[in-house]
Amino acid sequence: KQEVTQIPAALSVPEGENLVLNCSFTDSAIYNLQWFRQDPGKGLTSLLLIQSSQREQTSGRLNASLDKSSGRSTLYIAASQPGDSATYLCAVLKAAGNKLTFGGGTRVLVKP
Amino acid sequence: NAGVTQTPKFQVLKTGQSMTLQCAQDMNHNSMYWYRQDPGMGLRLIYYSASEGTTDKGEVPNGYNVSRLNKREFSLRLESAAPSQTSVYFCASTYMAGGLTEAFFGQGTRLTVV
Repeated sequence: KQEVTQIPAALSVPEGENLVLNCSFTDSAIYNLQWFRQDPGKGLTSLLLIQSSQREQTSGRLNASLDKSSGRSTLYIAASQPGDSATYLCAVLKAAGNKLTFGGGTRVLVKP
Repeated sequence: NAGVTQTPKFQVLKTGQSMTLQCAQDMNHNSMYWYRQDPGMGLRLIYYSASEGTTDKGEVPNGYNVSRLNKREFSLRLESAAPSQTSVYFCASTYMAGGLTEAFFGQGTRLTVV
């Protein structure tokens, strides 16, 4: 059974500091890992998608790494801004059976 | 290209009533999913359909049934709604082509059971 864990559950940082969000998974037989952002009361916005053959993806201030063998992914957000305040979720697509499993999320607050 | 469409967006039910949440995708994706999200929590998988004609239970299937009507549509039915089913429900679909995969989500259905 695939289990996905996100640590920490909540994070508060001053504006300008870099954010490091962690996602771990127990079964390394995956198609991909995807990071999402969710604002309160809203749907999910896809941030970065890392295919199983890739080790990292970058988009602007965001960088996500994937270490399949150790079952870990890290999302880095450089020079955080108050607008980065949201919940960040990672999801893993299992290779056999196509099951898509989410972590519990990390709630981020960036203080001005 | 509408992506993943969920209906309705909001619904209030009385305890014991039944209803069906609809989900449709126009991207020719093989796999579809239903999740629920409770306040302050991540998304928990209710049921999924890896391909047309198949459905499987997720983490929290009790109290729900699903139908994969065709490749486009995947519905979630509450036969006898309970207050514990008050939640936000998300539908998703994934494609796989040429070794590439990605998940797409609907905007959610906010369900309140009173």
